Amino acid sequence: EIVMTQSPGTLSVSPGDRATLSCRASQSVSRNLAWYQHKPGQAPRLLIFGASIRATGIPARFSGSGSGTEFTLTISSLQSEDFAVYYCQQYNNWPPKYTFGQGTKLEVQ
Amino acid sequence: QVQLQESGPGLVKPSQTLSLTCTVSGGSISSGTYYWSWIRQPAGKGLEWIGRIYTSGSTNYNPSLESRLTISADTSQNQFSLRLSSVTAADTAVYYCAREPGGRLGAGWLDSWGQGTLVTVSS
Repeated sequence: EIVMTQSPGTLSVSPGDRATLSCRASQSVSRNLAWYQHKPGQAPRLLIFGASIRATGIPARFSGSGSGTEFTLTISSLQSEDFAVYYCQQYNNWPPKYTFGQGTKLEVQ
Repeated sequence: QVQLQESGPGLVKPSQTLSLTCTVSGGSISSGTYYWSWIRQPAGKGLEWIGRIYTSGSTNYNPSLESRLTISADTSQNQFSLRLSSVTAADTAVYYCAREPGGRLGAGWLDSWGQGTLVTVSS
């Protein structure tokens, strides 16, 4: 099983600041990686797929990078609505056995 | 815009079968363009992919759950369902249904999710 490890577990930042979230895979997943935003009581929201492609309607302040085993989600200027939990997910295996990271909670400093 | 909504019992007894349904609106599950998936999240833990079903009825399951798992679809009701047998407390989780684009092979990412439903396994 491909294990996804996210860091940090919690990130405290101020509105307007830049946030950098990391995701590491236990083996190469090429660029087969997605990022999701999850707020309590809401459906998770797809932000990024293919490591760096923004999903429909996602603001440009969200950007993804990386390949292989190391990935980063950057939020360039945090808005109040961005404080949430963020998950990475790999989809590199066949037959599929998708795995997620444990999440990074982005909280207001 | 597609919407997904999970429904089913919130409490299941140990050793019994957990059954959930996902109702899809704003799009047809028989369109042939998507897989329809289940994911769960135990309290305080990460997300776990459970499995998926395609329009044709083809399924893929998480190997760790496969022996207890059935995912099926009812195209007449525009719903798909999850049945997990012989449940234990370890199956207590919030269960989500989601849509995976990409046609017959599936893209891998999940572009629409339900809000989730909590299922507790307890006597």
